[in-house]
Amino acid sequence: EAQVTQNPRYLITVTGKKLTVTCSQNMNHEYMSWYRQDPGLGLRQIYYSMNVEVTDKGDVPEGYKVSRKEKRNFPLILESPSPNQTSLYFCASSRTSEETQYFGPGTRLLVL
Amino acid sequence: GENVEQHPSTLSVQEGDSAVIKCTYSDSASNYFPWYKQELGKGPQLIIDIRSNVGEKKDQRIAVTLNKTAKHFSLHITETQPEDSAVYFCAASWRTGFQKLVFGTGTRLLVSP
Repeated sequence: EAQVTQNPRYLITVTGKKLTVTCSQNMNHEYMSWYRQDPGLGLRQIYYSMNVEVTDKGDVPEGYKVSRKEKRNFPLILESPSPNQTSLYFCASSRTSEETQYFGPGTRLLVL
Repeated sequence: GENVEQHPSTLSVQEGDSAVIKCTYSDSASNYFPWYKQELGKGPQLIIDIRSNVGEKKDQRIAVTLNKTAKHFSLHITETQPEDSAVYFCAASWRTGFQKLVFGTGTRLLVSP
């Protein structure tokens, strides 16, 4: 089944404790992206990747890092999480940046 | 950059009624307009999209219309059913070296039996 998977689905952590949210797609897509969803703000792009080893900042990249060492995986790294990073995070992928994006199920993060 | 406004933020209808969600965009160069449906606890899922060379597109009970002159596009759902209850997001493409999507703020649709 073609899909985007994220782990974990739910995470509670404390300020400053490094964490990684994994994202994997099995559709051989070149383009991958991370979004955060906050009430009243819709989906805002954090980082994106056009292909392996090619990543760039989106609209709200502060406090986040990403890597794209393999085509299928695009982990989101929070080196020192803060409470304002409490949010619902979505990973998405598409064949190219101009085609339909497929979203993962989301990761709900609470930073205390 | 591109800015997408979406209205209303919430919409309540009776089963069988029609629902309309409207979006406006700012960049006249935008040429791709998808609509996503997000059910509780799930990620957004594409339900319909339209490109700028087309004015209207239908898929069973859902349709999207695009007015490029006015820079707005709308989602129409006819004969609504309780399972249509969800959050709907519009988006518009924006070229900045490559094409990225800018999303609206979402509309929570509630269909009452």
